[in-house]
Amino acid sequence: EPEVTQTPSHQVTQMGQEVILRCVPISNHLYFYWYRQILGQKVEFLVSFYNNEISEKSEIFDDQFSVERPDGSNFTLKIRSTKLEDSAMYFCASSANRGGHEKLFFGSGTQLSVL
Amino acid sequence: KNEVEQSPQNLTAQEGEFITINCSYSVGISALHWLQQHPGGGIVSLFMLSSGKKKHGRLIATINIQEKHSSLHITASHPRDSAVYICAVSRGSEKLVFGKGTKLTVNP
Repeated sequence: EPEVTQTPSHQVTQMGQEVILRCVPISNHLYFYWYRQILGQKVEFLVSFYNNEISEKSEIFDDQFSVERPDGSNFTLKIRSTKLEDSAMYFCASSANRGGHEKLFFGSGTQLSVL
Repeated sequence: KNEVEQSPQNLTAQEGEFITINCSYSVGISALHWLQQHPGGGIVSLFMLSSGKKKHGRLIATINIQEKHSSLHITASHPRDSAVYICAVSRGSEKLVFGKGTKLTVNP
């Protein structure tokens, strides 16, 4: 079965540093998402992306966050200046059609640790 | 109040038992998803439903829109079913709102 690939699986960074989390969605999918899960908490929506622009974002997704699809295959999440509270597992997901009514395919996640 | 409530939070069963996990939501939804999260953290989508019932192998998901309630059933449970099962809802947008999950442990 096709899968969503995320790299790296673990990222350790110092507070204030920029990080880029990378994802390769399933090739014929059109909708892309980032979710995060802080340890011990529920999964939270960050952003959805369609047709090369953000289609929806949560209040968590402030000016420190940005997303990009630079080359038609990769989908990236950038955190400009990391904070301790950004430590979480970040999941990329993709779907063939609009996410609420469509099965989502998740990557295996990037565990981000901000020290 | 959480939009999505799951019960129980933790569930331990013996191999072969019939399992039921419940999900209630507080507002109207357009679709409900059941997902499985393995100990390593990866998330797999099990079902997406907006009415009625769906079955896949030993897993059955039902939803009652009027009662704002869904159940996930596992028949003939097996230790490999041990995971966190998560209910998530969509309210017409692309965003899913997740429950806290139910941690299932199936003992041999």
